[in-house]
Parts: sequence; C-alpha cells; structure tokens
Amino acid sequence: DAGVTQSPTHLIKTRGQQVTLRCSPISGHKSVSWYQQVLGQGPQFIFQYYEKEERGRGNFPDRFSARQFPNYSSELNVNALLLGDSALYLCASSPGAYNEQFFGPGTRLTVL
Amino acid sequence: AQSVTQLDSQVPVFEEAPVELRCNYSSSVSVYLFWYVQYPNQGLQLLLKYLSGSTLVKGINGFEAEFNKSQTSFHLRKPSVHISDTAEYFCAVSSTNTGGFKTIFGAGTRLFVKA
Repeated sequence: DAGVTQSPTHLIKTRGQQVTLRCSPISGHKSVSWYQQVLGQGPQFIFQYYEKEERGRGNFPDRFSARQFPNYSSELNVNALLLGDSALYLCASSPGAYNEQFFGPGTRLTVL
Repeated sequence: AQSVTQLDSQVPVFEEAPVELRCNYSSSVSVYLFWYVQYPNQGLQLLLKYLSGSTLVKGINGFEAEFNKSQTSFHLRKPSVHISDTAEYFCAVSSTNTGGFKTIFGAGTRLFVKA
C-alpha cells in the first residue's frame, strides 16, 4: 500500500512569494495534518483537517492556510514568504480525528 | 496551554544497556500520547501509542512506555538497546481544547548507542 505522499520534494522561493504544498493521504484515511519542522526541533502543528473541515489550528499567522478536497488530499498555502518559513513541511494522515498519524517524507522549503 | 517537555536533548548509552527517555506534558483535558522515531534521513514513524485502557503500552522494536496521569508523564523505555536504535525520538500529545484538536510534539531526544 502506498504511504503518505507529498509534492514537491524540494522547493526554493524568494521572500514575498507564495507557495502551495500538496499531500495525498493513505487510502481510506480521512484526516490530514500539517506540521513545520525546523532543523533540530520537533514538528510544530499547523492544521488538522478531518472530513474536509478544519478541526484544529496551531499558532501560525494567517499567511498559512490549508484545505482538504473531497478525495481527502490536502494543500497547504503560505503567502508572503519570510526567511523564517524555511523548514521541512510534513503532512500526516490518520484514519480518524484521534488516531495515530502516518507521516509523509516532507517538502523541504527554502526561502531566499 | 498544552506543552510537551522532553527532559533530555541527548542520551548516550552503550549497546545492550537499558535506556529511558523522559517525557512530561501539561494539559487540562484528556490526552492521547504517542512516541515517534526519526531515523537519520528518514521520515517519522510511530513507535507506540496510548489512547485509553492499560497504562503500560508496548510498541515496535522492544520499546514500551507507561502513562502516569498523576505525574503527567509518558516515559519511553527499552531494556537492551542496539546500535540500530540510534535515532531522534519525539514524544507527542494530542487533545481537544478551545482551539480545536491539536498535536504537540516535544523538542526531541537524540539517542546515541555506542558499541
């Protein structure tokens, strides 16, 4: 079975630009969560979506937004990129809202 | 506010020795607890979880953890480690509060197993 997939693998953007990251969950999983992981730190929670509705939001500015589609895939959008947005962005899926999460390999975003 | 503290940033240990990685959390609501492992150049994978029931949970690769509600702890243990256990270990706590459903990760503990 395919695991969680994320695209692109790597991305380089400049300050002020906008970026869209994509995630496909494991088949049958209805929940997708997004995390930001800065080198040397634990993942920081950004959003959780379940059944296409936002169920949780972390302490990130409004420049960060996300959505979940009818096929349960998800997109994370970040507007007006800052240097500090450079990080590994992880997507995780789970069968329901309160189960363990299965992580994708991440998208490495570099903001210059 | 919910928080997770992993008390040791690095734990060096000799092969075949026992190890304990400590995790404490703060939350005013019921929680779900997890330990994840991140091997070098690999993604996060689940070691074990506590959702309800028995407070002693067993996971993959011989790891186990005990949920202690009174001490708000969820320490990870292994009686005998191997070189291949060298990795970063993350404790995570999920709960529902006024901000919705959130999962908070600790900063991680780097386990380094020496021959």
